[in-house]
Amino acid sequence: DIQMTQSPASLSASLGETVTIECRASEDIYNGLAWYQQKPGKSPQLLIYNANSLHTGVPSRFSGSGSGTQYSLKINSLQSEDVASYFCQQYYDYPDTFGAGTKLELK
Amino acid sequence: QIQLVQSGPELKKPGESVKISCKASGYTFTNYGMYWVKQAPGQGLQYMGWINTETGKPTYADDFKGRFVFFLETSASTAYLQINNLKNEDMATYFCARRDWYFDFWGPGTMVTVSS
Repeated sequence: DIQMTQSPASLSASLGETVTIECRASEDIYNGLAWYQQKPGKSPQLLIYNANSLHTGVPSRFSGSGSGTQYSLKINSLQSEDVASYFCQQYYDYPDTFGAGTKLELK
Repeated sequence: QIQLVQSGPELKKPGESVKISCKASGYTFTNYGMYWVKQAPGQGLQYMGWINTETGKPTYADDFKGRFVFFLETSASTAYLQINNLKNEDMATYFCARRDWYFDFWGPGTMVTVSS
């Protein structure tokens, strides 16, 4: 199985700040990567797919980039509603595998 | 609008079975596979497998072969997850999700508590 190493595990940032979360795959996943946001007690919500495509309705302050084995999620101008956990997922190879998650809190 | 509605929380004893439902609406049920994802308390997401909603054929990830069963009631646009012989480590929230290549719609999750 492809291993997804996500960092950092937790992150504290101020309102208006830009934050970056990274995922490294154990092999090339050819942009088969999605990012999800999960708020406490809720299901994950798709933010980004195909590494850099913004899902319908997701604010433009979210963006994804990367290629090969290295991918990142950037949140510009952090808002209070962005406090959540974030997970990456590779779907290039079976079975799908997820990163361990990043818990984003307000400073 | 597209919705996946799951059954409510369950409290079970070790060794019992549990059946979780996931009713889809707002799209053609048989056009997308239905997937299941486990999230243990305070933990990340774990892919369990999926069921082909056209053929009813289930595919299980390695960690979920044996006690886990995926099945359908296609006429009701509903997918089911059954867990037999429950163990403490099955205590988790279970999500159903529609997948294109990525999971674009998720159910709200069903929490299963296993306690003697």
